[in-house]
Amino acid sequence: KNEVEQSPQNLTAQEGEFITINCSYSVGISALHWLQQHPGGGIVSLFMLSSGKKKHGRLIATINIQEKHSSLHITASHPRDSAVYICAVGVGGSGSRLTFGEGTQLTVNP
Amino acid sequence: DGGITQSPKYLFRKEGQNVTLSCEQNLNHDAMYWYRQDPGQGLRLIYYSQIVNDFQKGDIAEGYSVSREKKESFPLTVTSAQKNPTAFYLCASSTPGRLQFFGPGTRLTVL
Repeated sequence: KNEVEQSPQNLTAQEGEFITINCSYSVGISALHWLQQHPGGGIVSLFMLSSGKKKHGRLIATINIQEKHSSLHITASHPRDSAVYICAVGVGGSGSRLTFGEGTQLTVNP
Repeated sequence: DGGITQSPKYLFRKEGQNVTLSCEQNLNHDAMYWYRQDPGQGLRLIYYSQIVNDFQKGDIAEGYSVSREKKESFPLTVTSAQKNPTAFYLCASSTPGRLQFFGPGTRLTVL
């Protein structure tokens, strides 16, 4: 069993839909990261959080430390949101050492 | 423009050859990282460095070597001891414990 599990593996939505991607982890962590990988391979860090909720534009990330679970929400989804979304957990003192989930492939159709 | 660069974008090598992947950052970050990505799998940490002249093995360090002689640079050498080196390699940097910034990646193919 992987230390970081994401669901679903694949997600197809219609433009405008509300999207949720889930991440569960089994180890103690310093922080949890959400990243976005574009079709060309480039990766952008979206959020790093250790408690509560963070919001940036149409993206919202939440974490429940007791349940070892995080969610990434996308409101009013758009085709340009199509990408792979990756959850990673930081372990160790500084939390710099990341362990990654396998990613969720999101496709948003117009 | 501040950022992190990797070169080359595509790299081909023959079996048995060592090859070095470049990673440079001008973000003044102390920490730098090398990851490997294989199709259908999550990223895996190869090596990381939190300060100049120091680095630690990650989860899959066998067959790889690194150096950190300058803050800006963290080259990765894929040696002939790496049994299955064909993969997508990503470099990242950060202030330790903060968001990581990723380079564009190098796709290595062993012929």
